[in-house]
Amino acid sequence: LAKTTQPISMDSYEGQEVNITCSHNNIATNDYITWYQQFPSQGPRFIIQGYKTKVTNEVASLFIPADRKSSTLSLPRVSLSDTAVYYCLVGSGGGADGLTFGKGTHLIIQP
Amino acid sequence: EPEVTQTPSHQVTQMGQEVILRCVPISNHLYFYWYRQILGQKVEFLVSFYNNEISEKSEIFDDQFSVERPDGSNFTLKIRSTKLEDSAMYFCASKGLAGQEETQYFGPGTRLLVL
Repeated sequence: LAKTTQPISMDSYEGQEVNITCSHNNIATNDYITWYQQFPSQGPRFIIQGYKTKVTNEVASLFIPADRKSSTLSLPRVSLSDTAVYYCLVGSGGGADGLTFGKGTHLIIQP
Repeated sequence: EPEVTQTPSHQVTQMGQEVILRCVPISNHLYFYWYRQILGQKVEFLVSFYNNEISEKSEIFDDQFSVERPDGSNFTLKIRSTKLEDSAMYFCASKGLAGQEETQYFGPGTRLLVL
């Protein structure tokens, strides 16, 4: 299972773009990169998933360089409600495999 | 948008009592999971369930724990004799397909407090 490293915490302000980078040097060929968001006392919520290059949805963008050893979650124009813990997960996701969560990045958005 | 639901949202029990946590996964999903999160700690995988049997379980999922899919919609986690250290948020998750790109969707959780 590829180990991931991401900052423990980040601060930003409303309206700014926030980029959270995750390192996963040992990513395997069949691994996907998935980001979840978690608010206090709630379940993790799927944000975005990618394999290579760039993926964009209505919530975020995910940038993955060619070597796939890192990835960057980009949140455009954040608001106070984006304050949460963000988890980067790497794995094949196949079958019934359980997800392995790290400590995540605690993002704090200030007015 | 379909979502995973869990009941109850909160449960308080006495040490040594049995508790059953209930989940209704997304209706066309095939894989089901339980996770727990002790306050201030990481989300931890407990067990996965597919085709009416346990597929994978962590070392946390000892003989005190069991899972069941009693009908076509519910998925339950039973803790036979609760301990103080079982106090945590318990999350159910489900996944649709066997493909690698499929991801797990989590319920809102049940907060279990063992006194």
